Amino acid sequence: DGGITQSPKYLFRKEGQNVTLSCEQNLNHDAMYWYRQDPGQGLRLIYYSQIVNDFQKGDIAEGYSVSREKKESFPLTVTSAQKNPTAFYLCASSSLQRPLSEQFFGPGTRLTVL
Amino acid sequence: SQELEQSPQSLIVQEGKNLTINCTSSKTLYGLYWYKQKYGEGLIFLMMLQKGGEEKSHEKITAKLDEKKQQSSLHITASQPSHAGIYLCGAALLHGSSNTGKLIFGQGTTLQVKP
Repeated sequence: DGGITQSPKYLFRKEGQNVTLSCEQNLNHDAMYWYRQDPGQGLRLIYYSQIVNDFQKGDIAEGYSVSREKKESFPLTVTSAQKNPTAFYLCASSSLQRPLSEQFFGPGTRLTVL
Repeated sequence: SQELEQSPQSLIVQEGKNLTINCTSSKTLYGLYWYKQKYGEGLIFLMMLQKGGEEKSHEKITAKLDEKKQQSSLHITASQPSHAGIYLCGAALLHGSSNTGKLIFGQGTTLQVKP
């Protein structure tokens, strides 16, 4: 079945460590997105990519990095520079072939900094 | 301040009651999306509205977009415990003639349905 997978579901990190969250899609979608969700704040865009080997910063990119070496994959690295990384992270993808296509979301990764 | 404002922030209703969630923008919405989320899970797409005055229904959920395309409402008829969750509205942003696919989201409305 087509869809988006994220791993791991839960992640614990010590302060000062970098961690990488995985996001894979087999929907053949051009665009992929990373969001951060905090209680009562909805979703905030971290990074997005419309094509392989290209990506743009979203509203809260500081302390995060991404890569898009393959169409199917869009990993997110949370670096030690991110001051408050504990949050729920959601990956999404969408087709750019059809205007206003909806975004499809993965199940999310909950990151906790110890 | 939020570009998309949702109201109410939370809602508790008795099973069988109707309810409405609103999503308001100060800017014209080119596309308005409604999603549902169970706590700790991903978002599930419900409906997308594009034209002013448009209305769509799926089972007991109806979404409307006003004529000015700045406000949308989500109405649930005869609520059930399965309707409980977080409802989020998202709006499409367009840059010139190309669609980046980017969405901005409201802060979400948490719905509890009491049996």
